[in-house]
Amino acid sequence: KQEVTQIPAALSVPEGENLVLNCSFTDSAIYNLQWFRQDPGKGLTSLLLIQSSQREQTSGRLNASLDKSSGRSTLYIAASQPGDSATYLCAVPFIAGGTSYGKLTFGQGTILTVHP
Amino acid sequence: DARVTQTPRHKVTEMGQEVTMRCQPILGHNTVFWYRQTMMQGLELLAYFRNRAPLDDSGMPKDRFSAEMPDATLATLKIQPSEPRDSAVYFCASGFVAGIYGYTFGSGTRLTVV
Repeated sequence: KQEVTQIPAALSVPEGENLVLNCSFTDSAIYNLQWFRQDPGKGLTSLLLIQSSQREQTSGRLNASLDKSSGRSTLYIAASQPGDSATYLCAVPFIAGGTSYGKLTFGQGTILTVHP
Repeated sequence: DARVTQTPRHKVTEMGQEVTMRCQPILGHNTVFWYRQTMMQGLELLAYFRNRAPLDDSGMPKDRFSAEMPDATLATLKIQPSEPRDSAVYFCASGFVAGIYGYTFGSGTRLTVV
């Protein structure tokens, strides 16, 4: 059974800091990993998708890396802004055979607060 | 941008009433999920469809919940009868071929059962 853990559970930083959010998964047989952002009371917005053949993906101030062999991914946010305050979730699809193939397993999320 | 559309956005109903939530997946996506999110449990998978066929609904209370895809453009989640413990945000997500290009989530239906 795939288990996904995110550390830290919560993070509070002053504006302008660079920060790293961590995601670990127990089964390294994944074909991709997706990072999402969720604002309070809102849905999940996809930030970055990393395929298993890739080491990292970048979008603006966000950079996500993937190390399949060690079962880890990090989301790096450069020059954080108050608008980055949200919950960040990572998710991996289930890869074993059968009817669960492709089913997403989520971490519990990291709640990020960036102070002005 | 293509999006997953969920209706209604908010629903308040009395205990015992039937509730139907609808989802329009992105055109061409053949994989659809229903998730429920609460503060206590986080995101829980309720149902999972591929090519309109239900693959996994083990997370769904079968006595009161049902999920269907009457056609490729519509997925429904029904609760009958509803209970206060069903109060949560219900999300629909869609993707192509088991999510090889990732999944897109709808904005959710916030359900309150009083």
